[in-house]
Amino acid sequence: GAGVSQSPRYKVAKRGQDVALRCDPISGHVSLFWYQQALGQGPEFLTYFQNEAQLDKSGLPSDRFFAERPEGSVSTLKIQRTQQEDSAVYLCASSLLRGTNEKLFFGSGTQLSVL
Amino acid sequence: AQTVTQSQPEMSVQEAETVTLSCTYDTSENNYYLFWYKQPPSRQMILVIRQEAYKQQNATENRFSVNFQKAAKSFSLKISDSQLGDTAMYFCAFYRNTDKLIFGTGTRLQVFP
Repeated sequence: GAGVSQSPRYKVAKRGQDVALRCDPISGHVSLFWYQQALGQGPEFLTYFQNEAQLDKSGLPSDRFFAERPEGSVSTLKIQRTQQEDSAVYLCASSLLRGTNEKLFFGSGTQLSVL
Repeated sequence: AQTVTQSQPEMSVQEAETVTLSCTYDTSENNYYLFWYKQPPSRQMILVIRQEAYKQQNATENRFSVNFQKAAKSFSLKISDSQLGDTAMYFCAFYRNTDKLIFGTGTRLQVFP
């Protein structure tokens, strides 16, 4: 596609619900990143994929967070048993290059609100 | 660990004027990259300008330029001839090869007509 596409754009969940956030990177992009942006803050790294391999998941805040990219293209970020502190914008970014953040293309994010 | 600090939560400027956004960072590395990203209400992060630390010359992109002071670990963004479309959040970010982007907390810029 022309850019990085994320869906849904907005998600409201009740505390304790599971949610799944989708990211469609630019076609052919090898690297894919997930970031979490809390209100009034800068984005914070969650996890990184190179093709289908999850090479870094050091930013995932708890074991309730899980990300996958099974075929090396579309990625899904899943949050189990959502908590209010999970409310944030979740940004996805992709890059043509391997192992570098030099030329990142970002999507418009999913705004998650946990009530 | 690397940190990025943006000490100006909000800035405002009149259309056609010049504004400078500040950023400082902390690192013990010698080779790295610095970025300014723009985030409009659409939430999409858009790369404004990039600076390689090994280059002494300050990067410029049309109306956007940086003042990179490596010894002082300072990386400010100057926007000349400000336009209404420049209204957005601006984030300074640090990157070291094979690592992750580290963002500051952002500066909200409002351009007034």
